[in-house]
Formats: sequence, structure tokens, C-alpha cells
Amino acid sequence: QLQLQESGPGLVKPSETLSLTCTVSGGSISSSSYYWGWIRQPPGKGLEWIGSIYYSGSTYYNPSLKSRVTISVDTSKNQFSLKLSSVTAADTAVYYCARHVNRIVGATFDAFDIWGQGTMVTVSS
Amino acid sequence: DIQMTQSPSSLSASVGDRVTITCQASQDISNYLNWYQQKPGKAPKLLIYDASNLETGVPSRFSGSGSGTDFTFTISSLQPEDIATYYCQQYDNLLPYTFGQGTKLEIK
Repeated sequence: QLQLQESGPGLVKPSETLSLTCTVSGGSISSSSYYWGWIRQPPGKGLEWIGSIYYSGSTYYNPSLKSRVTISVDTSKNQFSLKLSSVTAADTAVYYCARHVNRIVGATFDAFDIWGQGTMVTVSS
Repeated sequence: DIQMTQSPSSLSASVGDRVTITCQASQDISNYLNWYQQKPGKAPKLLIYDASNLETGVPSRFSGSGSGTDFTFTISSLQPEDIATYYCQQYDNLLPYTFGQGTKLEIK
């Protein structure tokens, strides 16, 4: 059974870089059938897609965050990572990683079908 | 960005009731719409994809319909375990993927 687990610091200072890792277990991140995505949710608010990556390293990002986001993949560790630079209090959120069913790689629809439990990141000095 | 507007924002219903949530897109998204359920403190769970297709393992009391700009999510007979916030999400070819603001469902 595929599982995803986010990890990383729960507190980041303003202007610094937020770094999170998602570890995939019970399956291979190198599957040709899926992308892997990051989604966040500020406290009490809705969901925002951040970006997605393929095992080959191909990425695409939310244009509103693109200038500050880098998503990378490490297939040897079955992990993918998120870096968000120049953070402010507005970046305080629960960050989720998820498997991304994606038409780009042959699926008939796009959806985030398996999610990690999420990790809370607070931006504060 | 394509804006997704859900209504109502919150809803109170009794066990056994039929519950309907609507989601309107700011432009035509064909049937490129998903529905998720999020229970308090938990990650979202995919319930319906492509507007009307039930994800494997999801109870048949959940259903979805619609195309273009107007979509509907229905629970045919509300169960206590259905208490959650429900989100629609579009995946039209224009980025970014966007979600509705959510509908919080409570038991009356």
C-alpha cells in the first residue's frame, strides 16, 4: 500500500527558505504513470496547489509561486522535495505531498489520489 | 486563474438526508473536475474524478455530475461519518490547478 510522509522543520524564520521532503513507501517514485505534487493549506483556509514533478525531474509550478519554488526528486531515496524561498507569514500552512495522476503521462484525468498526512510549517521569528 | 465557487459555504443536515453541493467554474472546464473530502485534522481524500467517476472504494451514496461551468456533488443519504469539508478542484489545461473554497458539512 503506497504511503507518503512529509518531513522537515516546523518553524522557519521570515525571509529564509522552507525545505520539506516527501518519502514514498510501498511503491516506486520512478513509476512512469504518475507525477508527484505539493499542496498547501493555510490554517482554516482552502487548498493551494504548489507544483508537481515527474521522476525524470520534469516540473511545473503554480505561476503565483513559481519565482520562489523548487521541487526536486531523488529516485535513489524514493523521495521528492520542496524548497520555498523568501518565506513570509503568508506561507504558514499545512504542507501536503501527494501522488498526482496526470494526463501528461497517459492518464485520462488529473487528480491527487494519495496524500501524505501533512506537516505544519509556521513562519515566525 | 480559473476561479471555483462552491455553495453553500456551510451546510447542516440530518442523518439520512440528501445533500447537494454546487461548484461553479469561472470558465468552461469541460468535465475536468474532482471532488475531495477532508475530515478535521486529516488530508483530503479523492472521492470523484472527471466530474462523475467514483474513485475505487468510495461508497456509492456519493455522486457527481455536471460539465462546462456548473457541477453538483450529492450524498444520497447522509451518514455520520460524512461530516467533513468538501472541495471541488479543476484541472483544465490552463494552470494552475485550483480548488473551491470548501463546503463544511455538519450534522443537524
